[in-house]
Formats: sequence, structure tokens, C-alpha cells
Amino acid sequence: DIQMTQSPSSLSASVGDRVTITCRASQSSSSYLNWYQQKPGKAPKLLIFAASSLQSGVPSRFSGSGSGTDFTLTISSLQPEDFAIYYCQQSYSNPWTFGQGTKVEIK
Amino acid sequence: QVQLQESGPGLVKPSETLSLTCTVSGGSIRSYYWSWIRQPAGKGLEWIGRIYSSGSSIVNPSLKSRITMSVDTSKNQFSLKLSSVTAADTAVYYCARDRGAAAIFDYWGQGTLVTVSS
Repeated sequence: DIQMTQSPSSLSASVGDRVTITCRASQSSSSYLNWYQQKPGKAPKLLIFAASSLQSGVPSRFSGSGSGTDFTLTISSLQPEDFAIYYCQQSYSNPWTFGQGTKVEIK
Repeated sequence: QVQLQESGPGLVKPSETLSLTCTVSGGSIRSYYWSWIRQPAGKGLEWIGRIYSSGSSIVNPSLKSRITMSVDTSKNQFSLKLSSVTAADTAVYYCARDRGAAAIFDYWGQGTLVTVSS
């Protein structure tokens, strides 16, 4: 199985801050990497697919980059509605696996 | 707009079989892949398995011996059965659409909590 490790596990930031979350795969996932946002009591929401493609309807302040084993999710200017848990997920090989999550909290 | 809704018992006894159904509305179940994903309280996400509208499926090897998946295209539904459950199977279970077999989960159900307890 490909293990996905996110860092940090949590962070505190202010509205307007630039936030970067890192995801590392235990072996190459090429560009088969997706990012999700989950708010309390809700299902995850797809933000980014194929490492850098923005899902329809997702604000352009979200962006993704990387390939191989190292990936990043960037929020260019944090908004109040962005406080949530973010998960990466590799879609390179079965079983599809998720990172442990990064909780973005209000400073 | 595609919508998914999970249904099934919220409480299952240890050693019994967990059965869930996902109903798809706002679009056809045909020609898509559909997955089940679970999340224990306060923990991360685990992919369980995927089924195509034709009925072919693949499952997470860690759960393979206990999983049965099926699809009913006439009802626009697909289902999950997980046998020999233990407390470790207690989780919120989500169904999700798997875009183009690429394991990109673009539509999700709201989730249903299944508790394993006697």
C-alpha cells in the first residue's frame, strides 16, 4: 500500500494568510493525487485532482502542485469558510489511500 | 446535480453483517464507478471498494474476504455488505462517485453512522 503522510497535522492561521499543506507518498504516485476539504459533520469535498487541476466551482485561491512523492496544497488567502480538515489521496494504485489530515484552525 | 444517499441499519451486532445501500439521483448510475469509503470517529478516511455499473468490482485487500458489493441499475442503487463485523468497523460510511475510474471522488453522500455493538 502507498502510505500518505501530511504535514503539519494541524496549523493555526489568520484570515488572509497564505497556507501551505504538504503531502508525501511512500512511493511515487506520479500526478495521481487529489485533495479534499472536510468540515465537521460533512462529507469530504473534492478541491484538486490530478495534483494541480481545480475542481469546478472551487475558488481559485486553492491550488495544488507536485508530482512523484511530494505534493502541496496552497490556499493563497485564507477565508473564514476555509477552516476545515484537508486530506490528500493517491489514486495511483489499489488500495487508494488518504493522508491522516491537516486541521486548519483560526489563530 | 448528482446526489447520493446512504441507507441502512445504524446498529449492527458483532459477528453479523453490515448492509448499506446508496441511492443515486440526478443522474444515471450507468457508465460510472461507485465507491464506498469509511471514517471512524475523529479519524481519517479508508477506501473500502468500488463497483462499476456492469457489476465488476475491486476491493481494498485488507477487507477483501469480508466484502460483497452489488449494483441494481433499475433502481439506480449500489450496495455494500461487510461480514463478521467487530467494533473496529464502527464508522461513518460514505458512498461516492468515482470519476472515470480514476479514483477521484467527485460526488459524496452525506454519510451514515454504523455502530457495531451488542
